[in-house]
Amino acid sequence: EVQLVQSGAEVKKPGESLKISCKGSGYSFTSHWIGWVRQMPGKGLEWMGIIYPGDSDTRYSPSFQGQVTISADKSISTAYLQCSSLKASDTAIYYCARPSTMIGDAFDVWGQGTMVTVSS
Amino acid sequence: QSVLTQPPSVSAAPGQKVTISCSGSSSNIGNNHVSWYQQLPGTAPKLLIYDNNKRPSGIPDRFSGSKSGTSATLGITGLQTGDEADYYCGTWDSSLSAGVFGGGTKLTVL
Repeated sequence: EVQLVQSGAEVKKPGESLKISCKGSGYSFTSHWIGWVRQMPGKGLEWMGIIYPGDSDTRYSPSFQGQVTISADKSISTAYLQCSSLKASDTAIYYCARPSTMIGDAFDVWGQGTMVTVSS
Repeated sequence: QSVLTQPPSVSAAPGQKVTISCSGSSSNIGNNHVSWYQQLPGTAPKLLIYDNNKRPSGIPDRFSGSKSGTSATLGITGLQTGDEADYYCGTWDSSLSAGVFGGGTKLTVL
């Protein structure tokens, strides 16, 4: 079974940094892109960026360029989303998701989401 | 403000049909495939439609998708209370070199 399993909920203080993970299984991790999607409380989905673990080719939405860093460790089939200098407005659920084949394809597999709360 | 425009909400009675629109531009919907996602309360989004009108295995044929020019439409027939959810369209935007989503549509089955 193809699965993406994300790390657990995080509670952070403003100014702290964050790194959440997404582990893929049941498929060739290095042959598929993995994207990250943000959902702020009560709001819609926002496409953040995407990485190809095979060669670490990474693309970011202009809205998130410079604000987050996406990386991957193919040796352990895990992708990461890093945010630094967190603000209260970074409070959200962050999903990883896999496009079926190509970078612009639909996300056919989703992680369960990681809830991040930023509060003093 | 989302790149793709969806109505905030739609509603219909059980058993009826509803359509949800998604409007974009030539840089996104006009030249790329559209997908649709269903998000039930408290859960991760789930793929309903890909490549404009294809259904993944396990998605009932009550759900359909179409695309014309720079707009796409999700149709749901035989509405059930279990269809109450938020629905999102998505596609690639060639100008942004990034994926984009619509703002989402809340479906209420009255």
